[in-house]
Amino acid sequence: EPEVTQTPSHQVTQMGQEVILRCVPISNHLYFYWYRQILGQKVEFLVSFYNNEISEKSEIFDDQFSVERPDGSNFTLKIRSTKLEDSAMYFCASSPGGGGGRDYTFGSGTRLTVV
Amino acid sequence: RKEVEQDPGPFNVPEGATVAFNCTYSNSASQSFFWYRQDCRKEPKLLMSVYSSGNEDGRFTAQLNRASQYISLLIRDSKLSDSATYLCVVIPAWYGGSQGNLIFGKGTKLSVKP
Repeated sequence: EPEVTQTPSHQVTQMGQEVILRCVPISNHLYFYWYRQILGQKVEFLVSFYNNEISEKSEIFDDQFSVERPDGSNFTLKIRSTKLEDSAMYFCASSPGGGGGRDYTFGSGTRLTVV
Repeated sequence: RKEVEQDPGPFNVPEGATVAFNCTYSNSASQSFFWYRQDCRKEPKLLMSVYSSGNEDGRFTAQLNRASQYISLLIRDSKLSDSATYLCVVIPAWYGGSQGNLIFGKGTKLSVKP
């Protein structure tokens, strides 16, 4: 079964450092997403990406965040200057579109710890 | 008002029990509704979509009441493997060509005991 791959599985970084979280969506999918989940909290939408541009973003996705699809297979989330409150599980997801939301596939996540 | 609200639980039930989870959503224009399952420190996984007519998948039955903005999930004959957090998920609206992002509830934790 095709899967969404995320690397690394766990990243520890110092406050103020830049981090890049990487995702390889399913190859024929057209829509890509980042979600995050702070420990003990709900899963929160960050951003969606379609046709090489951001299609939606939440209030969380401020100027510290950016996304990129650098090479047609990877989909990255960059956090420019990490804060303690950025510590969370970050999930990448992709969908082919047209499935009414039933066709999302999530990756297994990257646990980001900011110290 | 929170967009998607769920009873956090935990629900501790014996094997074989029937358990029901409820969820309410605030946006009356919401288009699509789902139940997801999340195991500890894992990604959410789609359990089932929810339709106004009600739908069943084996031991699982989901129901949507648009007038009350209420979604339910019933699990019959609980198994140990059903232990997880159950997430109520809504897509608030479609617009333009947007696929629509998922709005998650905080989840209801279920623990099934032998």
